[in-house]
Amino acid sequence: TQLLEQSPQFLSIQEGENLTVYCNSSSVFSSLQWYRQEPGEGPVLLVTVVTGGEVKKLKRLTFQFGDARKDSSLHITAAQPGDTGLYLCAGDLSGSRLTFGEGTQLTVNP
Amino acid sequence: GAGVSQTPSNKVTEKGKYVELRCDPISGHTALYWYRQSLGQGPEFLIYFQGTGAADDSGLPNDRFFAVRPEGSVSTLKIQRTERGDSAVYLCASSRTSGTTGELFFGEGSRLTVL
Repeated sequence: TQLLEQSPQFLSIQEGENLTVYCNSSSVFSSLQWYRQEPGEGPVLLVTVVTGGEVKKLKRLTFQFGDARKDSSLHITAAQPGDTGLYLCAGDLSGSRLTFGEGTQLTVNP
Repeated sequence: GAGVSQTPSNKVTEKGKYVELRCDPISGHTALYWYRQSLGQGPEFLIYFQGTGAADDSGLPNDRFFAVRPEGSVSTLKIQRTERGDSAVYLCASSRTSGTTGELFFGEGSRLTVL
């Protein structure tokens, strides 16, 4: 059973388009993080959200944590080829480790 | 460099052999994590160290897997009697604190291939 469900699993879009990636769970998380991973590298943290309903912006990326702290979304405006990568959400259930979703593989074509 | 260092970057071994994967965390980081990542999937938790002790080893799949961190810095993941299903990228991460709201800094991983 996957504790964190990400959708879509794959996304291929053209440069300039907008997109949203979703991360859902039946469990309540005390915090949730989004990471981006490029081939041959480890994941790199983009943002941490802690409060239900919280919205954080990082340039063209907007992250939202659900009011009930069970889901999150990542919205990218005007995607660029440099945004290509595997986007991972990760939640803290136990207080000692992060559980990762299976990821969304994003490809932005020039 | 100042990042998390993992060696070897690639390891090819035969079924039944023993392998060791090394992780050198960022200096001063007390928390160290091992994850395993299969192609097209997210990282799967294996074990977490706080200092020298394993605070949570519930992710280790079976008793062929073992990890140590004897001096609270470098950690070694040991896999006995390797099986083809052990093939994956093994990621190590360190964090300044034990709480999971802190940032995990990942190494580039050790790609293990069991033939």
